[in-house]
Amino acid sequence: AQSVTQLDSQVPVFEEAPVELRCNYSSSVSVYLFWYVQYPNQGLQLLLKYLSGSTLVKGINGFEAEFNKSQTSFHLRKPSVHISDTAEYFCAVILNNAGNMLTFGGGTRLMVKP
Amino acid sequence: DTAVSQTPKYLVTQMGNDKSIKCEQNLGHDTMYWYKQDSKKFLKIMFSYNNKELIINETVPNRFSPKSPDKAHLNLHINSLELGDSAVYFCASSQVAGQQETQYFGPGTRLLVL
Repeated sequence: AQSVTQLDSQVPVFEEAPVELRCNYSSSVSVYLFWYVQYPNQGLQLLLKYLSGSTLVKGINGFEAEFNKSQTSFHLRKPSVHISDTAEYFCAVILNNAGNMLTFGGGTRLMVKP
Repeated sequence: DTAVSQTPKYLVTQMGNDKSIKCEQNLGHDTMYWYKQDSKKFLKIMFSYNNKELIINETVPNRFSPKSPDKAHLNLHINSLELGDSAVYFCASSQVAGQQETQYFGPGTRLLVL
């Protein structure tokens, strides 16, 4: 069985501060990893994904994430957040033997304060 | 020119009723999905269709029946609605049913069962 854990349900941070949203997964097979963002009352939008190759992945809106196989983590980072980054962030995985089924973590609410 | 659209956006109905949610994508994608997001923001896949054929059917009550009249549409019909069906339902699509494919999400349908 696989699972995705987002350790922090809420992360408050001041504007222009750096932020890291944590994501760990458990799987005995290789995975593909994704981060999605959900703005209030909207659908999910892909921020970035790791499929293979370089473990540091850059996405939209200045976000990046690093795949760490030994720690089974895929933490999302941004060096300087804006008020507009306030949203719910979801980490998700697809097992390479599980078709195209996305399994999501519980989400982390990023709250950027002025 | 919305890529993935859902109707209605909001749906309030009584227990025991039957309702449908419609989804359309104009991206030319072959694969479509339905996800359920509960009140705690937990997202879980319900169904996946590829070229009008069911390829994923997670543990979902048989009161939920997806219907794909063509590959641009995947509607969700729910019979005998229950209080626990209250949730946000997201439709998504991807170009093919590949694991590396980005899934594009609709804006969601907020269902409230009274």
